[in-house]
Amino acid sequence: GESVGLHLPTLSVQEGDNSIINCAYSNSASDYFIWYKQESGKGPQFIIDIRSNMDKRQGQRVTVLLNKTVKHLSLQIAATQPGDSAVYFCAENRGAGGTSYGKLTFGQGTILTVHP
Amino acid sequence: DAGVTQSPTHLIKTRGQQVTLRCSPKSGHDTVSWYQQALGQGPQFIFQYYEEEERQRGNFPDRFSGHQFPNYSSELNVNALLLGDSALYLCASSFSNEQFFGPGTRLTVL
Repeated sequence: GESVGLHLPTLSVQEGDNSIINCAYSNSASDYFIWYKQESGKGPQFIIDIRSNMDKRQGQRVTVLLNKTVKHLSLQIAATQPGDSAVYFCAENRGAGGTSYGKLTFGQGTILTVHP
Repeated sequence: DAGVTQSPTHLIKTRGQQVTLRCSPKSGHDTVSWYQQALGQGPQFIFQYYEEEERQRGNFPDRFSGHQFPNYSSELNVNALLLGDSALYLCASSFSNEQFFGPGTRLTVL
């Protein structure tokens, strides 16, 4: 069935390293993708998004890459800090034109642990 | 701006009971979505409300129902609770693309 999934369930890095979290999606019609960070006891927090007409988007210390050919999404975090430790989810919005009309389909999540 | 707020934070119920969870959206947001997040899993879409109507629904039984009020706040109702309904219930509000999540309500069914 249709799904959004993650290759690596856990990732451990040292403070200052760059982190890369990967995600695969199966619906080639998906047009909008979002990365969320979820800390323990909190709701998901928006990190960065990208539309299907783009292949790269940068934010503050984060970059999202989209490869539509292989239906792959990645989140790169530069100079990872202990405060980045959390569960990271990729999500796919199947709404019309990537608007809020429509559900978010989440992957299982990757646990990122940053060691001081 | 208080962001998305949800109440209560925690709730314990027994099988067969009914529960109502509440959500107040972020200021200026008119769309509310509800998600169920089981332990160790990603959130699963339940339904979305816009203009006081259910606009889209995920694969959840009719025991799950909702409502949106004129002030855009929303309620999630679950009837005939099952042990498997134990989860974190998340509300997300939006106006355009970005969905902002609340802290969730932790429901435990005994």
